[in-house]
Amino acid sequence: DTGVSQDPRHKITKRGQNVTFRCDPISEHNRLYWYRQTLGQGPEFLTYFQNEAQLEKSRLLSDRFSAERPKGSFSTLEIQRTEQGDSAMYLCASSPRGALRDEQFFGPGTRLTVL
Amino acid sequence: GEDVEQSLFLSVREGDSSVINCTYTDSSSTYLYWYKQEPGAGLQLLTYIFSNMDMKQDQRLTVLLNKKDKHLSLRIADTQTGDSAIYFCAENRGGRRALTFGSGTRLQVQP
Repeated sequence: DTGVSQDPRHKITKRGQNVTFRCDPISEHNRLYWYRQTLGQGPEFLTYFQNEAQLEKSRLLSDRFSAERPKGSFSTLEIQRTEQGDSAMYLCASSPRGALRDEQFFGPGTRLTVL
Repeated sequence: GEDVEQSLFLSVREGDSSVINCTYTDSSSTYLYWYKQEPGAGLQLLTYIFSNMDMKQDQRLTVLLNKKDKHLSLRIADTQTGDSAIYFCAENRGGRRALTFGSGTRLQVQP
């Protein structure tokens, strides 16, 4: 399977714990995105990387959230001191180098439940 | 996605055409997209249209864009039960990489 993969697919945690999600983009895609989707809503943009550089962050990305893409390949999204409001589906997407239209390919998501 | 609006639900009979509508607010968006999301699955890009186009056809899918009214529609011809899903329109405001999504239209296809 050469699509975007995410791990884990599901995560249940207690309030106050830290969690980390991983995304592996499609090989050779240099752009990587994180979105969050809550029930009944469309995805909301969180942050975007081009290679290893984090080029844009949403206001939704509070200080408790941090994302990295150290070698320009896979990315991690960490949430510290989780809150119940963090419960959502976290989606990762990637897009190829040089694309004028940003055709983003999405992974299956990580569903986070904060108890 | 509060600034990209879609109706919540659409029900059609198998074989009929479906039309899903979307209104957006940013005239500087360069591309507009339609994504499909099936239960338990990720988002699948169906089609897109460049902002200087009025129409794009791709097999059973037809996208119409009215820039004056900031209105986008997706027509699915000969709708099948496999088309049942949630459909999202999305725009890239100001040419940014980030996509802004609508809240989605749930399409139900009745046999």
